[in-house]
Amino acid sequence: EAQVTQNPRYLITVTGKKLTVTCSQNMNHEYMSWYRQDPGLGLRQIYYSMNVEVTDKGDVPEGYKVSRKEKRNFPLILESPSPNQTSLYFCASRSIPQPSPLHFGNGTRLTVT
Amino acid sequence: AQSVTQLGSHVSVSEGALVLLRCNYSSSVPPYLFWYVQYPNQGLQLLLKYTSAATLVKGINGFEAEFKKSETSFHLTKPSAHMSDAAEYFCAVGGNEKLTFGTGTRLTIIP
Repeated sequence: EAQVTQNPRYLITVTGKKLTVTCSQNMNHEYMSWYRQDPGLGLRQIYYSMNVEVTDKGDVPEGYKVSRKEKRNFPLILESPSPNQTSLYFCASRSIPQPSPLHFGNGTRLTVT
Repeated sequence: AQSVTQLGSHVSVSEGALVLLRCNYSSSVPPYLFWYVQYPNQGLQLLLKYTSAATLVKGINGFEAEFKKSETSFHLTKPSAHMSDAAEYFCAVGGNEKLTFGTGTRLTIIP
């Protein structure tokens, strides 16, 4: 089954404790992206990657890091989480030619206390 | 630069009534336009996309959207609402690198 898999689904952590949210897709997509969803703000793009070893900032990249060492994986790293990063995070992938639809994971709900 | 405005963060319609969710976009180049739906505790799913082949686009579950360049709009409609349509709907405009989402419209269906 074609899918984007995120782990974990729920995560509660404390300020400053480094964490990684994993994302993997099995559709051989070149493009992958991370979004955060907050009430009243919709989805905002954090980082995206057009291919292996190619990453770029989205609209809200501060406090986040990503890497793309393999085509299927695109982890999101929070080196020093803060309470304002409490949010619902989505990973998504698609093939490159537009208008290709994004395929979304089921989300990771992160709470930073 | 591109942006999307969804008018109405909450819309309620009676079962069987017309659904109309509004989306206006801003884009400096011919846009790629999408509607996505999000059910509770799930990721977003594609409803339909505008490919420039036709201005009236049909999607899944009986939804359709009409691209109107003169009005910079891409409103989503469904002739007859069903209880299962209750969800949050997002309009998005994008290019090859970025997809910008609207703030979403939560659709409630009244029995």
